[in-house]
Amino acid sequence: KNQVEQSPQSLIILEGKNCTLQCNYTVSPFSNLRWYKQDTGRGPVSLTIMTFSENTKSNGRYTATLDADTKQSSLHITASQLSDSASYICVVKDNAGNMLTFGGGTRLMVKP
Amino acid sequence: DGGITQSPKYLFRKEGQNVTLSCEQNLNHDAMYWYRQDPGQGLRLIYYSQIVNDFQKGDIAEGYSVSREKKESFPLTVTSAQKNPTAFYLCASQISTSGGGNEQFFGPGTRLTVL
Repeated sequence: KNQVEQSPQSLIILEGKNCTLQCNYTVSPFSNLRWYKQDTGRGPVSLTIMTFSENTKSNGRYTATLDADTKQSSLHITASQLSDSASYICVVKDNAGNMLTFGGGTRLMVKP
Repeated sequence: DGGITQSPKYLFRKEGQNVTLSCEQNLNHDAMYWYRQDPGQGLRLIYYSQIVNDFQKGDIAEGYSVSREKKESFPLTVTSAQKNPTAFYLCASQISTSGGGNEQFFGPGTRLTVL
């Protein structure tokens, strides 16, 4: 069964600090991996998407990495801001049914 | 102003009632999806539609029904048969289901509470 596990479940950091969120997956065959940001009570918004051949992709202060061999991804946030407070969801697409498997998300809180 | 909209934002229902959640998109996307989100869990697929007048069950379709009479609209009905309907419901659309890199765009969500 395809699964996506994220850690930690929740995280509190001080404004200006960096943090790294983790995602492990067992989806096969692999197509791509996406990171979404979801503000409370809103729909998810895409941050990055990576295919098998890509091992890093940046979007401003967000940098995602992918290790397709170990089936792990990380999302690094640099110089955090209060507006980074949200849930971050890792999503993996399979290459068979073209369906998405969602992780449970990491809830990040940035405090002043 | 292009995008995907959902209404209402909040919905309260009494037990035993059916309710319909609206989802509209003007992105000219062929594919549309309904997900359910519960606290601490990943989104779970309820139904999806790849083209007008066609739709398929997702992982948790029991107690739900959909229709796709127009490309722009994909309403979800939560029936009284759904035993635990209180949740946050998200609609998404995608230009097509072919092409691995196609992104899903999400609506703002509807929070349904059963009283």
